[in-house]
Amino acid sequence: EVQLVESGGGLVQPGGSLRLSCAASGFTVSNYYMNWVRQAPGKGLEWVSVMYSGGSTYYADSVKGRFTISRDSSKNSLYLQMYSLRPEDTAVYYCARQYSGSYLDFWGQGTPVTVSS
Amino acid sequence: DIQMTQSPSSLSASVGDRVTITCRASQSINSYLNWYQQKPGKAPNLLIYAAITLQSGVPSRFRGSGSGTDFTLTISSLQPEDFATYYCQQSYSIPYIFGQGTKLEIK
Repeated sequence: EVQLVESGGGLVQPGGSLRLSCAASGFTVSNYYMNWVRQAPGKGLEWVSVMYSGGSTYYADSVKGRFTISRDSSKNSLYLQMYSLRPEDTAVYYCARQYSGSYLDFWGQGTPVTVSS
Repeated sequence: DIQMTQSPSSLSASVGDRVTITCRASQSINSYLNWYQQKPGKAPNLLIYAAITLQSGVPSRFRGSGSGTDFTLTISSLQPEDFATYYCQQSYSIPYIFGQGTKLEIK
């Protein structure tokens, strides 16, 4: 059974850093495109980043230069390192598997991040 | 970037109604259009991919159509569990933009 479990969210001050984790089971993370998607309180879904199976990475303009996506094959996990956090980064962060380079077929339950002083 | 415009932003309907949600891309995305359903406090759930293909386990009352720039999600006979927020997403090119969502409420 495919499962994605995010962790690492919490309260952080503006300018701070946080590292989110997404532990996968039931499939191999490095064989798929893996995404981070976020949702600010009461708002819609915002795509954040993707890591291709080959290792290429891409980011939304809103996080480029501040966030880094990575994976650890030995832990079968995906990560999102977030630096220089801003209040507008406050959101629930979801990791999601992208199947066939197309659709997001499995999602984690999300981990909340709050950026506030 | 490809922009996705979803309409309406909200919709009131009754159980048994047929509803249609529209999603328009700012340029052709062929059939790289996906639909998700999200209930409060839950992660999104994939309904339809590649514009017309029903994800396994999704009831047949959900139907997707369209290609190029104009797409539609139709629910043929609303059930109580269908009241949720629906999002389209293009997976043609990065960034994988989502539509702004359509909140489907009970009339």
